[in-house]
Amino acid sequence: EAGVAQSPRYKIIEKRQSVAFWCNPISGHATLYWYQQILGQGPKLLIQFQNNGVVDDSQLPKDRFSAERLKGVDSTLKIQPAKLEDSAVYLCASSLKGADTQYFGPGTRLTVL
Amino acid sequence: AQKITQTQPGMFVQEKEAVTLDCTYDTSDPSYGLFWYKQPSSGEMIFLIYQGSYDQQNATEGRYSLNFQKARKSANLVISASQLGDSAMYFCAMRGSNDYKLSFGAGTTVTVRA
Repeated sequence: EAGVAQSPRYKIIEKRQSVAFWCNPISGHATLYWYQQILGQGPKLLIQFQNNGVVDDSQLPKDRFSAERLKGVDSTLKIQPAKLEDSAVYLCASSLKGADTQYFGPGTRLTVL
Repeated sequence: AQKITQTQPGMFVQEKEAVTLDCTYDTSDPSYGLFWYKQPSSGEMIFLIYQGSYDQQNATEGRYSLNFQKARKSANLVISASQLGDSAMYFCAMRGSNDYKLSFGAGTTVTVRA
């Protein structure tokens, strides 16, 4: 069974530029999560989708971050404009349904200069 | 609110020995789940083991076991017979019953020495 796929793996941009990350969850997983992991810290949830609906986006900085999950499968996370403090690893995870174990992708390491 | 505390920033262990990673938690939720994940230098979070708050027995998965002490609110991970490939960051995480997001601790770095 294929795991969670993410791309790109690495991205370097300058502040005020925009960037987008892509995630493809495990096949059949209804719930998808985006986490932000700043160096030296544990991941923090940004947004949670159930199929293509948003369940929790309370920690998403909505003035610059946006996310969508069209057709309840793939998801994209966008940052526009990026700030220096957005430098982090962005992890996508999926679970069969909300209460199940979350499985993570390899992450996208973002560096904002 | 849920809080996870991992007080050991880094640990060294000799190959083939056992190591215990500490995790304490705080929650007012009567039903919750506790997880341990491994994060190698490649960055991927790998699920290791799960313990439900109502589970009577401690969870085990191969060389991993979870020492769950509910009254003390602790969920320590024990790795037996350490291998060089066990060198990584280890995170303890909790999930409540009202929402499904994971709250993570700060992590513990484990270095296995040959």
